[in-house]
Amino acid sequence: GDSVTQMEGPVTLSEEAFLTINCTYTATGYPSLFWYVQYPGEGLQLLLKATKADDKGSNKGFEATYRKETTSFHLEKGSVQVSDSAVYFCALNSGGYQKVTFGTGTKLQVIP
Amino acid sequence: EAQVTQNPRYLITVTGKKLTVTCSQNMNHEYMSWYRQDPGLGLRQIYYSMNVEVTDKGDVPEGYKVSRKEKRNFPLILESPSPNQTSLYFCASSLRAAEKLFFGSGTQLSVL
Repeated sequence: GDSVTQMEGPVTLSEEAFLTINCTYTATGYPSLFWYVQYPGEGLQLLLKATKADDKGSNKGFEATYRKETTSFHLEKGSVQVSDSAVYFCALNSGGYQKVTFGTGTKLQVIP
Repeated sequence: EAQVTQNPRYLITVTGKKLTVTCSQNMNHEYMSWYRQDPGLGLRQIYYSMNVEVTDKGDVPEGYKVSRKEKRNFPLILESPSPNQTSLYFCASSLRAAEKLFFGSGTQLSVL
């Protein structure tokens, strides 16, 4: 079945540091890939998505590239802010299946 | 405002006492689903629905029921709750499963 593996957290960074959160996946067919963010006390919200190989999703300074050869969708940001502190979830949807599979989440803490 | 509304936000109950968590969306979305979030396990899908009167099991359906009698509503029913169902629950909806998911604010359930 489908699965998503994320790097374990928590990740603690200083403000303006470079961020990478690793995500790899196993899926049938050609899945769509997503990053969701969950701020404290809130539901998840979509951060970015990519629907085919080599697509790059981007939003709010975050980027992730759909790498089919390495089955990866790593999240990056060049300079994090305290306001980026949250839990980040990688997720996928296999085309034809009405189901979204989430990773376990990576907690990011950015300190001033 | 486009939103997914869950109620209640917090619920404490006792083993065996039937409860319902409501979920409503105002975006005319076809797809709705329920997740539970547990530390170290991320989000796991309980049930999903592709349209009115069409529901299917997710990864962890045991002990839960759902119904989809109207497009906007997708209640989660625990007929005989047990302590292992203590969790944070999220309802989500989207136009289709491969599209952006909109999440409710969550329901923190404690079963004593």
